Amino acid sequence: NAGVTQTPKFRVLKTGQSMTLLCAQDMNHEYMYWYRQDPGMGLRLIHYSVGEGTTAKGEVPDGYNVSRLKKQNFLLGLESAAPSQTSVYFCASSNLPQGSGELFFGEGSRLTVL
Amino acid sequence: SQQGEEDPQALSIQEGENATMNCSYKTSINNLQWYRQNSGRGLVHLILIRSNEREKHSGRLRVTLDTSKKSSSLLITASRAADTASYFCATGTSGYSTLTFGKGTMLLVSP
Repeated sequence: NAGVTQTPKFRVLKTGQSMTLLCAQDMNHEYMYWYRQDPGMGLRLIHYSVGEGTTAKGEVPDGYNVSRLKKQNFLLGLESAAPSQTSVYFCASSNLPQGSGELFFGEGSRLTVL
Repeated sequence: SQQGEEDPQALSIQEGENATMNCSYKTSINNLQWYRQNSGRGLVHLILIRSNEREKHSGRLRVTLDTSKKSSSLLITASRAADTASYFCATGTSGYSTLTFGKGTMLLVSP
């Protein structure tokens, strides 16, 4: 049972490059989320989706875009990477709105921007 | 913005001892959740306690919630080396984008 799978697990980018992080869940969850985790900052919500074809901004959306073309996938894009986007990115999914129930997390994608 | 604040930031104990972590928050909630994160891994949900509950148990975990003091505690009894991890509280309110994580408590359990 895979749960939530993130690819890639590690990536190094140069400033200005673009990339996409892929999140896939096999639990048929409606809700999906992208967080970033930085030392001493806890987790901060970047974008989220309440269903296929929908996306919304979270706490720190600037510099990121997302898409949810299929229910099981949630993509996070960086159009022009900046060193400030060096972080560990976590995808999560849930069958309830995130304020109401538990989240299931992926293992994380560690991104370094030089 | 951070809603929950864990205390202490770090805790070091011996195997067999109990570990207590606290979480304080500022606004009204409808539930509070605790998550564990092992080094280099994703977060794993431990327990959810609703605002109308005062105490909840799951195995060696005991969570209390005091809404009048806006605080919660997580007690791990008879700690094991495998409990070494970071523990996060997350406060949930109504709506979609309102599960807010604290900065975590790092627990080290030595054999």
